[in-house]
Amino acid sequence: SQQGEEDPQALSIQEGENATMNCSYKTSINNLQWYRQNSGRGLVHLILIRSNEREKHSGRLRVTLDTSKKSSSLLITASRAADTASYFCATDATPQGGSEKLVFGKGTKLTVNP
Amino acid sequence: GAVVSQHPSWVICKSGTSVKIECRSLDFQATTMFWYRQFPKQSLMLMATSNEGSKATYEQGVEKDKFLINHASLTLSTLTVTSAHPEDSSFYICSATRGRRPYFGEGSWLTVV
Repeated sequence: SQQGEEDPQALSIQEGENATMNCSYKTSINNLQWYRQNSGRGLVHLILIRSNEREKHSGRLRVTLDTSKKSSSLLITASRAADTASYFCATDATPQGGSEKLVFGKGTKLTVNP
Repeated sequence: GAVVSQHPSWVICKSGTSVKIECRSLDFQATTMFWYRQFPKQSLMLMATSNEGSKATYEQGVEKDKFLINHASLTLSTLTVTSAHPEDSSFYICSATRGRRPYFGEGSWLTVV
């Protein structure tokens, strides 16, 4: 079943602008992950944030996690046309010792215009 | 480089036939692999958990007799779509976990005509 809900569903910005995508989920989690998917391709893992972390950075990416609100955000700063893709959040709610199956959100389609 | 390999990348088959998709973990063993399906412009939906040496665990609503999963070795899981119908046309993607982090294959496009 779908756990995450991303918003917006689609986002169109100009190169150089920042892009913010949000994700909400329903159950307690071990971690939340963000993935990128170019059209018709596989998934690229961007960043993982654990349930006891509140913020994480990786290059131009900044992820926040608010477990009290069951929400996360992905910020891409100084966007580039090459950032155009769909972005998904995925939650891992596997009980400890489980097998890390992920539940994906619906995704945000980001278009960065040159 | 890729740590999970999926084959074929795309396949076209006729209605009523069966098609097999392979998922291999490269340079590591995976006792568990996951199969997802993604319809166009939609998100990934977990279909089943593939368990090495035992039966797969299917998600609710996924027909186990239609989507046969075999995980005969620690590096290979296969998904066979049996008696394929046009509505089975989709993007199928597998993942395997290494070091508690999932790695995804490049996916397989299935078109049933």
